[in-house]
Amino acid sequence: QSVLTQPPSVSAAPGQKVTISCSGSSSNIGNNYVSWYQQLPGTAPKLLIYENNKRPSGIPDRFSGSKSGTSATLGITGLQTGDEADYYCGTWDTSLSGGVFGGGTKLTVL
Amino acid sequence: EVQVVESGGGLVQPGGSLRLSCAASGFTFNSYVISWVRQAPGKGLEWVSRITGSGGTTDYADSVKGRFTISRDNSKNTLYLQMNSLRVDDTAVYFCAKGSTVTTTPFDIWGQGTMVTVSS
Repeated sequence: QSVLTQPPSVSAAPGQKVTISCSGSSSNIGNNYVSWYQQLPGTAPKLLIYENNKRPSGIPDRFSGSKSGTSATLGITGLQTGDEADYYCGTWDTSLSGGVFGGGTKLTVL
Repeated sequence: EVQVVESGGGLVQPGGSLRLSCAASGFTFNSYVISWVRQAPGKGLEWVSRITGSGGTTDYADSVKGRFTISRDNSKNTLYLQMNSLRVDDTAVYFCAKGSTVTTTPFDIWGQGTMVTVSS
């Protein structure tokens, strides 16, 4: 069971928008930055969002992040079939003195 | 190019040992926190351990504490994970993941991973 809670799956049609939630507690999301990762089938995870809402160079602005209290959200607009992947939220947990991830959300672009 | 490349995975019997390596290039290795993150087949990501740039601070997930040891050789730009008393549930792809100069997360660079299979 993961420390951070994500929905197992989400789906939407091409061109539409989807959001993925990530819920935690004061010891992790509430007091630390959240990052988001995209894992395409058979590949290593890739950083999509860091410090709650910042995009690394090369990540399109279709991807956005936000945080409120002990929850965070990843938004993806203009969905493409190439966005089909597993998405993970992650942060540091101060009480555990360790990194924590959500269980992952599988995005299907119908 | 900034990259990390893992090696050392393989098949080992329960109770056995294995040492993983992660060779880094393209950045000032001794300035960055580096972690090991694993992914069991068909499962999600699990953070395993981290080490600060100087090697002076290490942390472990409860699931591996006392069995795994993380270390680094900054003269060789290489990270290690010594895994002892391996269990079947340690079977996973092990990724090396680069953090920042100050914090463990975010993980901005990942290797391709190395597969560890614990089975009799």
